[in-house]
Amino acid sequence: AQSVSQHNHHVILSEAASLELGCNYSYGGTVNLFWYVQYPGQHLQLLLKYFSGDPLVKGIKGFEAEFIKSKFSFNLRKPSVQWSDTAEYFCAVNLYNQGGKLIFGQGTELSVKP
Amino acid sequence: GAVVSQHPSWVICKSGTSVKIECRSLDFQATTMFWYRQFPKQSLMLMATSNEGSKATYEQGVEKDKFLINHASLTLSTLTVTSAHPEDSSFYICSARDPSGGGNEQFFGPGTRLTVL
Repeated sequence: AQSVSQHNHHVILSEAASLELGCNYSYGGTVNLFWYVQYPGQHLQLLLKYFSGDPLVKGIKGFEAEFIKSKFSFNLRKPSVQWSDTAEYFCAVNLYNQGGKLIFGQGTELSVKP
Repeated sequence: GAVVSQHPSWVICKSGTSVKIECRSLDFQATTMFWYRQFPKQSLMLMATSNEGSKATYEQGVEKDKFLINHASLTLSTLTVTSAHPEDSSFYICSARDPSGGGNEQFFGPGTRLTVL
């Protein structure tokens, strides 16, 4: 069965530290890849997405992610986090041949200490 | 960007009653909408895919007779939790796919928190 795995359940960083959140998926077909953020008490917002082309994609708020097809990975990075980045981060995979439905990873809670 | 709304944002009901949640795409037409469920501190679990004018497709383990989905127009899908029980208490989130963008991006509603007493 298709699945999305996020390696880190809870990450705690100090401001200005660099961030990398891991995401791996198990699906052999064509995929679109997404990272969503959910700030406390708010709804899901799209950070960035990969459909095709340059595997290094840049999103909002200084986030970027790299699609490595051979590793089935789509890790999220930010060189310098801020306290306002404290949130839950979800990696998601869109399955082309299954009606476009999204499969979400378990989520990673990021806490940034000021 | 595309906007999806949900109503109500929260609801409290007694056990045994039914609750209807609406999901609307405000500035685009969505042939496909999705319903998710999110428990505290957990990820989103897809419940069903709702296609305009046809029956919803439910994920394995989701009771279609308990979670009734109707997608009567290109901008509205409804989820009715029938004979709700405390274990149905959860955060229900809908999303809508905007086909005009050429891709498969989904836009999410703000969610509805259901509490069943």
